[in-house]
Amino acid sequence: QAGLTQPPSVSKDLGQTATLTCTGNSYNVGNQGAAWLQQHQGHPPKLLSNRNNNRPSGISERLSASRSGNTASLTITGLQPEDEADYYCSAWDTSLSAWVFGGGTKLTVL
Amino acid sequence: EVQVVESGGGLVQPGGSLRLSCVASEFTVSNSYMNWVRQAPGKGLEWVSVIFSDGRTYYADSVKGRFTISRDNSKNTLYLEMNSLRAEDTAVYYCARGDFDMWGQGTMVTVSS
Repeated sequence: QAGLTQPPSVSKDLGQTATLTCTGNSYNVGNQGAAWLQQHQGHPPKLLSNRNNNRPSGISERLSASRSGNTASLTITGLQPEDEADYYCSAWDTSLSAWVFGGGTKLTVL
Repeated sequence: EVQVVESGGGLVQPGGSLRLSCVASEFTVSNSYMNWVRQAPGKGLEWVSVIFSDGRTYYADSVKGRFTISRDNSKNTLYLEMNSLRAEDTAVYYCARGDFDMWGQGTMVTVSS
Protein backbone atom coordinates (compact mmCIF):
# COMPACT_ATOMS: atom_id res chain seq x y z
CA GLN A 1 0.00 0.00 0.00
CA ALA A 2 1.50 3.30 -1.10
CA GLY A 3 2.07 5.73 1.72
CA LEU A 4 1.88 9.48 2.04
CA THR A 5 4.96 11.59 1.27
CA GLN A 6 6.64 13.61 4.00
CA PRO A 7 10.10 15.24 3.98
CA PRO A 8 12.43 13.13 6.17
CA SER A 9 13.71 16.08 8.16
CA VAL A 10 13.15 19.77 8.89
CA SER A 11 15.41 22.00 10.98
CA LYS A 12 14.42 25.39 12.35
CA ASP A 13 15.72 27.80 14.96
CA LEU A 14 14.12 28.26 18.37
CA GLY A 15 11.16 30.64 18.15
CA GLN A 16 10.79 30.30 14.39
CA THR A 17 7.91 28.74 12.45
CA ALA A 18 8.00 25.28 10.89
CA THR A 19 5.60 24.02 8.25
CA LEU A 20 5.51 20.27 7.69
CA THR A 21 3.91 18.86 4.56
CA CYS A 22 2.20 15.60 3.68
CA THR A 23 1.28 14.72 0.09
CA GLY A 24 -1.18 12.04 -0.93
CA ASN A 25 -3.75 11.71 -3.67
CA SER A 26 -7.44 12.25 -4.35
CA TYR A 27 -8.35 8.95 -2.65
CA ASN A 28 -6.84 9.83 0.70
CA VAL A 29 -5.66 13.33 1.68
CA GLY A 30 -7.60 14.97 -1.16
CA ASN A 31 -11.04 13.87 -0.01
CA GLN A 32 -10.56 12.49 3.51
CA GLY A 33 -8.14 14.98 5.03
CA ALA A 34 -5.14 14.00 7.12
CA ALA A 35 -4.51 13.53 10.81
CA TRP A 36 -1.23 14.64 12.37
CA LEU A 37 0.62 12.77 15.09
CA GLN A 38 3.64 13.66 17.19
CA GLN A 39 5.99 11.06 18.64
CA HIS A 40 8.82 11.66 21.05
CA GLN A 41 11.53 9.03 21.30
CA GLY A 42 10.42 6.08 23.39
CA HIS A 43 6.80 7.20 23.65
CA PRO A 44 3.60 6.34 21.79
CA PRO A 45 2.28 8.77 19.18
CA LYS A 46 -0.06 11.57 20.21
CA LEU A 47 -2.79 13.09 18.06
CA LEU A 48 -2.18 16.77 17.28
CA SER A 49 -4.90 17.39 14.73
CA ASN A 50 -7.66 15.23 13.34
CA ARG A 51 -8.58 14.93 9.66
CA ASN A 52 -10.97 17.88 10.02
CA ASN A 53 -8.01 20.02 11.12
CA ASN A 54 -9.28 20.26 14.68
CA ARG A 55 -6.94 20.11 17.66
CA PRO A 56 -7.87 17.79 20.54
CA SER A 57 -8.21 19.33 23.95
CA GLY A 58 -4.84 20.19 25.46
CA ILE A 59 -2.95 20.63 22.21
CA SER A 60 -1.14 23.96 21.94
CA GLU A 61 -2.66 26.78 19.88
CA ARG A 62 0.79 27.18 18.33
CA LEU A 63 -0.13 24.24 16.12
CA SER A 64 -2.49 24.53 13.17
CA ALA A 65 -3.33 22.16 10.34
CA SER A 66 -4.65 22.86 6.86
CA ARG A 67 -5.11 21.21 3.49
CA SER A 68 -4.83 22.33 -0.10
CA GLY A 69 -5.75 19.76 -2.69
CA ASN A 70 -3.85 16.55 -2.04
CA THR A 71 -1.36 18.16 0.36
CA ALA A 72 -1.88 18.58 4.09
CA SER A 73 0.25 20.91 6.21
CA LEU A 74 1.03 21.30 9.90
CA THR A 75 2.34 24.68 11.00
CA ILE A 76 4.05 25.13 14.36
CA THR A 77 4.78 28.70 15.43
CA GLY A 78 7.17 29.91 18.14
CA LEU A 79 9.18 26.67 18.11
CA GLN A 80 10.12 25.33 21.54
CA PRO A 81 12.63 22.62 22.51
CA GLU A 82 9.75 20.25 23.30
CA ASP A 83 8.56 20.48 19.68
CA GLU A 84 11.60 18.44 18.63
CA ALA A 85 10.04 15.09 17.70
CA ASP A 86 8.92 12.90 14.83
CA TYR A 87 5.72 13.96 13.08
CA TYR A 88 3.49 11.63 11.08
CA CYS A 89 0.48 12.24 8.90
CA SER A 90 -2.20 9.68 8.21
CA ALA A 91 -5.29 9.46 6.04
CA TRP A 92 -8.00 6.93 5.24
CA ASP A 93 -7.63 5.76 1.64
CA THR A 94 -11.01 5.06 0.08
CA SER A 95 -9.59 3.06 -2.82
CA LEU A 96 -7.49 0.79 -0.58
CA SER A 97 -9.93 0.70 2.38
CA ALA A 98 -6.90 1.21 4.54
CA TRP A 99 -5.17 3.84 6.61
CA VAL A 100 -1.97 5.10 5.01
CA PHE A 101 0.82 6.81 6.89
CA GLY A 102 3.58 9.14 5.84
CA GLY A 103 7.14 8.09 6.48
CA GLY A 104 7.47 10.76 9.14
CA THR A 105 9.37 14.05 9.46
CA LYS A 106 12.02 14.52 12.11
CA LEU A 107 11.78 18.10 13.36
CA THR A 108 14.95 19.51 14.87
CA VAL A 109 14.81 22.75 16.85
CA LEU A 110 18.20 24.44 16.76
CA GLU B 1 -9.24 7.38 33.17
CA VAL B 2 -9.95 6.85 29.47
CA GLN B 3 -7.19 4.59 28.20
CA VAL B 4 -6.20 1.44 26.35
CA VAL B 5 -3.62 -1.07 27.56
CA GLU B 6 -1.98 -3.62 25.29
CA SER B 7 -0.50 -6.96 26.31
CA GLY B 8 0.52 -10.30 24.86
CA GLY B 9 3.77 -9.42 23.14
CA GLY B 10 6.92 -11.49 23.44
CA LEU B 11 9.54 -13.55 21.65
CA VAL B 12 8.26 -16.07 19.11
CA GLN B 13 9.96 -18.21 16.48
CA PRO B 14 9.38 -17.64 12.76
CA GLY B 15 6.20 -19.41 11.72
CA GLY B 16 4.77 -19.13 15.21
CA SER B 17 1.64 -17.46 16.55
CA LEU B 18 0.78 -14.84 19.12
CA ARG B 19 -2.38 -13.12 20.31
CA LEU B 20 -2.31 -9.48 21.38
CA SER B 21 -4.94 -7.93 23.62
CA CYS B 22 -6.02 -4.33 24.13
CA VAL B 23 -8.25 -3.60 27.12
CA ALA B 24 -10.20 -0.35 27.02
CA SER B 25 -11.26 1.70 30.03
CA GLU B 26 -13.94 4.38 30.29
CA PHE B 27 -15.20 3.93 26.73
CA THR B 28 -16.86 1.12 24.78
CA VAL B 29 -14.75 -0.63 22.15
CA SER B 30 -17.80 -1.80 20.19
CA ASN B 31 -19.05 1.79 19.81
CA SER B 32 -15.77 2.95 18.28
CA TYR B 33 -13.58 1.77 15.51
CA MET B 34 -10.27 0.41 16.67
CA ASN B 35 -6.92 0.00 14.97
CA TRP B 36 -3.69 -1.88 15.37
CA VAL B 37 -0.61 0.04 14.28
CA ARG B 38 2.96 -1.21 14.49
CA GLN B 39 6.40 0.33 14.51
CA ALA B 40 9.52 -1.66 13.71
CA PRO B 41 12.68 -0.67 15.61
CA GLY B 42 13.93 2.67 14.32
CA LYS B 43 11.21 2.85 11.68
CA GLY B 44 7.99 4.76 11.09
CA LEU B 45 4.39 3.87 11.85
CA GLU B 46 2.65 1.17 9.82
CA TRP B 47 -1.10 0.61 10.00
CA VAL B 48 -1.99 -3.06 10.44
CA SER B 49 -5.76 -3.49 10.79
CA VAL B 50 -9.06 -1.86 11.73
CA ILE B 51 -12.39 -3.14 13.01
CA PHE B 52 -15.43 -0.88 12.66
CA SER B 53 -18.40 -0.75 15.01
CA ASP B 54 -20.49 -2.69 12.48
CA GLY B 55 -17.89 -5.48 12.47
CA ARG B 56 -16.24 -4.76 9.14
CA THR B 57 -12.52 -5.50 9.18
CA TYR B 58 -9.67 -4.40 6.92
CA TYR B 59 -6.00 -5.31 6.81
CA ALA B 60 -2.72 -4.07 5.40
CA ASP B 61 -1.51 -6.14 2.47
CA SER B 62 1.56 -7.15 4.50
CA VAL B 63 -0.55 -9.06 7.05
CA LYS B 64 -3.62 -10.08 5.06
CA GLY B 65 -4.37 -13.77 5.47
CA ARG B 66 -2.07 -14.08 8.49
CA PHE B 67 -3.51 -11.67 11.07
CA THR B 68 -7.07 -11.48 12.38
CA ILE B 69 -8.57 -8.56 14.31
CA SER B 70 -11.51 -9.17 16.62
CA ARG B 71 -13.14 -7.88 19.78
CA ASP B 72 -14.94 -9.27 22.80
CA ASN B 73 -17.69 -6.83 23.75
CA SER B 74 -18.26 -8.47 27.13
CA LYS B 75 -14.62 -7.85 28.05
CA ASN B 76 -14.37 -4.51 26.23
CA THR B 77 -11.23 -5.88 24.63
CA LEU B 78 -9.68 -5.77 21.17
CA TYR B 79 -7.51 -8.60 19.89
CA LEU B 80 -4.98 -9.26 17.16
CA GLU B 81 -4.38 -12.91 16.35
CA MET B 82 -1.06 -13.23 14.51
CA ASN B 83 -0.12 -16.41 12.67
CA SER B 84 2.76 -17.45 10.37
CA LEU B 85 4.90 -14.77 11.94
CA ARG B 86 7.97 -13.52 10.08
CA ALA B 87 11.07 -11.63 11.14
CA GLU B 88 9.66 -8.51 9.46
CA ASP B 89 6.69 -8.57 11.85
CA THR B 90 9.06 -7.61 14.67
CA ALA B 91 7.73 -4.31 16.04
CA VAL B 92 6.00 -2.51 18.85
CA TYR B 93 2.28 -3.05 18.33
CA TYR B 94 -0.05 -0.25 19.37
CA CYS B 95 -3.79 -0.26 19.84
CA ALA B 96 -5.33 3.07 18.75
CA ARG B 97 -8.89 4.32 18.88
CA GLY B 98 -10.74 5.78 15.92
CA ASP B 99 -8.85 8.49 14.09
CA PHE B 100 -5.91 7.81 16.38
CA ASP B 101 -7.12 10.02 19.22
CA MET B 102 -5.96 7.54 21.85
CA TRP B 103 -2.99 5.19 21.92
CA GLY B 104 -1.73 2.62 24.35
CA GLN B 105 1.89 2.23 25.41
CA GLY B 106 2.37 -0.65 23.00
CA THR B 107 3.55 -4.23 23.31
CA MET B 108 6.76 -5.55 21.74
CA VAL B 109 6.68 -8.53 19.42
CA THR B 110 10.00 -10.10 18.44
CA VAL B 111 10.10 -12.82 15.81
CA SER B 112 13.43 -14.60 15.92
CA SER B 113 14.93 -18.07 16.15
